[in-house]
Amino acid sequence: SQTIHQWPATLVQPVGSPLSLECTVEGTSNPNLYWYRQAAGRGLQLLFYSVGIGQISSEVPQNLSASRPQDRQFILSSKKLLLSDSGFYLCAWSVGAIETQYFGPGTRLLVL
Amino acid sequence: QKEVEQDPGPLSVPEGAIVSLNCTYSNSAFQYFMWYRQYSRKGPELLMYTYSSGNKEDGRFTAQVDKSSKYISLFIRDSQPSDSATYLCAMVENNLFFGTGTRLTVIP
Repeated sequence: SQTIHQWPATLVQPVGSPLSLECTVEGTSNPNLYWYRQAAGRGLQLLFYSVGIGQISSEVPQNLSASRPQDRQFILSSKKLLLSDSGFYLCAWSVGAIETQYFGPGTRLLVL
Repeated sequence: QKEVEQDPGPLSVPEGAIVSLNCTYSNSAFQYFMWYRQYSRKGPELLMYTYSSGNKEDGRFTAQVDKSSKYISLFIRDSQPSDSATYLCAMVENNLFFGTGTRLTVIP
């Protein structure tokens, strides 16, 4: 069966510091991978998605970036965090049909 | 105007009640409709998805889609305290568009 991992679970970072969040999927090959941010009362916002190694599409221009160095690994990064980057970051995967996306446990980021 | 509108609640019901959760949407191009359940501090889990107008049943859960009215619903029968969570509707047109979620509490 497929599983998706995210770490860390919780992160507290100062403004201006770098960020690296990692997501890995097991039990499937060539998944589509997604990064979402969930802010209170604002639902899920798609940040990036990837259909293959090195292929990244950005949905929202901001100070975040994403990379996919391996088939089942997706990384979310920032060089300098802003207060507004605080939120709950979710990684998701799908295979084939986009409608069935499966989410990881999430990373709660607090920027102080 | 948001593409997907969902009443944020919160909604509190007694155990055993029938719960109705609803979303409206404006984009007639949406083809697939989903409901996710999200427990506090966890990732959303897919509950149900459907393509066509009509009803789809899975145990105590029924998903209903009315494309003519651009309206979808999730019904929970015999609600249990373990159903207490935030319920997110989602719709597909190239990407997934989510509602903001409705927080449900089922009181024992």
